[in-house]
Amino acid sequence: AQSVAQPEDQVNVAEGNPLTVKCTYSVSGNPYLFWYVQYPNRGLQFLLKYITGDNLVKGSYGFEAEFNKSQTSFHLKKPSALVSDSALYFCAVRDGGSQGNLIFGKGTKLSVKP
Amino acid sequence: NAGVTQTPKFQVLKTGQSMTLQCAQDMNHNSMYWYRQDPGMGLRLIYYSASEGTTDKGEVPNGYNVSRLNKREFSLRLESAAPSQTSVYFCASSEQGGVREWEQYFGPGTRLTVT
Repeated sequence: AQSVAQPEDQVNVAEGNPLTVKCTYSVSGNPYLFWYVQYPNRGLQFLLKYITGDNLVKGSYGFEAEFNKSQTSFHLKKPSALVSDSALYFCAVRDGGSQGNLIFGKGTKLSVKP
Repeated sequence: NAGVTQTPKFQVLKTGQSMTLQCAQDMNHNSMYWYRQDPGMGLRLIYYSASEGTTDKGEVPNGYNVSRLNKREFSLRLESAAPSQTSVYFCASSEQGGVREWEQYFGPGTRLTVT
């Protein structure tokens, strides 16, 4: 069965520093991987996805993610964090046996301090 | 272009009451989904609809029913609410094919409390 894991419940970063939010996956077949962000009291917003091709995927708001097949990881990164990046981040993998359902990780709370 | 809309935003029910959560999308997407979000649990799929006229169970369907009324609308019904159904409910939609394939777009959510 497809699954994703986000090993950190919370990540704390100082503004201006690089940030990484970790995600590892387990899939049979080729992975379709996604990152979403959720601001307080809002729905989830799509950030980026990996389907195939370049291992470095660029997305919204200056975020990027690196697909690493050997480590089965898809970490979210940003070179310079902003206070406004503080939010809940979800990694997801497409459930290959269905119509496009996503299986979400439990989420990582990112806190960026000035 | 409103995207995905949900009503109501908030609801308080007593145990045993019923209600329907409404969802509509204006992006002409074929697929629609209902999730619940609980602290520390991430999002869990309740039901989904791959196209108009079809619905399928997700991970946690017990206690819920759905109706895909037309291509735009996908409703979630709680026939007899229980405190365990206290949660935030999200509707989402996605398209099949094209550059945005499988990207799900979410509504703002309904915060439901069952007492």
